[in-house]
Amino acid sequence: AQSVAQPEDQVNVAEGNPLTVKCTYSVSGNPYLFWYVQYPNRGLQFLLKYITGDNLVKGSYGFEAEFNKSQTSFHLKKPSALVSDSALYFCAVRGVDTGRRALTFGSGTRLQVQP
Amino acid sequence: DSGVTQTPKHLITATGQRVTLRCSPRSGDLSVYWYQQSLDQGLQFLIQYYNGEERAKGNILERFSAQQFPDLHSELNLSSLELGDSALYFCASSAGGLAGVSYEQYFGPGTRLTVT
Repeated sequence: AQSVAQPEDQVNVAEGNPLTVKCTYSVSGNPYLFWYVQYPNRGLQFLLKYITGDNLVKGSYGFEAEFNKSQTSFHLKKPSALVSDSALYFCAVRGVDTGRRALTFGSGTRLQVQP
Repeated sequence: DSGVTQTPKHLITATGQRVTLRCSPRSGDLSVYWYQQSLDQGLQFLIQYYNGEERAKGNILERFSAQQFPDLHSELNLSSLELGDSALYFCASSAGGLAGVSYEQYFGPGTRLTVT
């Protein structure tokens, strides 16, 4: 079975500082990894994905994520945080095989960016 | 705007009742996924349809069922509702088939169900 862990319920960072939201995963075979963001009373918005290739993946709104196979991690990063980045962030993994393509989500990390 | 639409946005109903949630996927997407988001269970996969056929099942209760119609829209039916079914229900879609494989899923705005 596949699983995702987001060890931090909340991350606080000052505007302009770099941010990191942590994610570790467990899956059989090659992982397909995703980050989504959820604003209050909104659906989930796709930020970025890792399928194969470069370990550093760039996504929307200046976010990027670093895939580390040996540590089974996929941490979300941004060089300079904005107050508008404050939201709930979810890491997700999906399987490769047909019938296993649903997303398994972590518990979410609330990012609070202080002005 | 993801291109995935869900109706209604809010639904308030009583225990024991039955409701139907509707989802229209992005144009051309063949796969539809249903997820439930609740405070205690987090985000959980319920069921997937691909081009009208059930493809995968997750933690879906027997009281719940879904279908995908020829025009690719999908409905999630929840019956004999209990207080614990109160949650946000999301639909997501992804491409597939002749359009090629799309790894990411695009989510609708959700339907907030409150069972009283």
